[in-house]
Amino acid sequence: AQKVTQAQTEISVVEKEDVTLDCVYETRDTTYYLFWYKQPPSGELVFLIRRNSFDEQNEISGRYSWNFQKSTSSFNFTITASQVVDSAVYFCALKDSGNLSGTYKYIFGTGTRLKVLA
Amino acid sequence: NAGVTQTPKFRVLKTGQSMTLLCAQDMNHEYMYWYRQDPGMGLRLIHYSVGEGTTAKGEVPDGYNVSRLKKQNFLLGLESAAPSQTSVYFCASTERRGNEQFFGPGTRLTVL
Repeated sequence: AQKVTQAQTEISVVEKEDVTLDCVYETRDTTYYLFWYKQPPSGELVFLIRRNSFDEQNEISGRYSWNFQKSTSSFNFTITASQVVDSAVYFCALKDSGNLSGTYKYIFGTGTRLKVLA
Repeated sequence: NAGVTQTPKFRVLKTGQSMTLLCAQDMNHEYMYWYRQDPGMGLRLIHYSVGEGTTAKGEVPDGYNVSRLKKQNFLLGLESAAPSQTSVYFCASTERRGNEQFFGPGTRLTVL
């Protein structure tokens, strides 16, 4: 079975602090894709990053960085020097190849609400 | 390109009424999805479609029906609305399996 766990329900930090959002996934497939989405207070869902299972390189994009570790089935997201505008709910998602599961479904975690205080 | 659009943005129904939510995408994507979002539960898949004329059940399909008569449109129907269907509904599309999903702005539905 596929599963995505975001154990942190809510995190509060003070502006300029670094914060890491955890994501742990489960899948039997060897080919899969991982995603992070941001949902700001306005409600839309914004795509942040996609990673496939064959690419374990960490990625940095400005203040955002992602740490993908297959050994621990984790795909964590770090925001450096957080800003008030980073306040949002962040979702991690998983999509397998469909070869084992026969499914076209994306599996979402329950989200982590990040509050950045000025 | 408008991306993914949803109609309407807000709706209030009485128990037992019916309605249809429309999702439209102009990116020529094959795959389309309907989710509902409830507090603390993330996104739950209602139905999805892997191409024109095809539909399949997701995680929480009861009480909903869907149709994909045209590639660019994916309709979600509630035949007899219940208060438990009060939620925010998101439509998404993707070009192929494994690609990121593009989401519509959401429809906030309240059933009294």
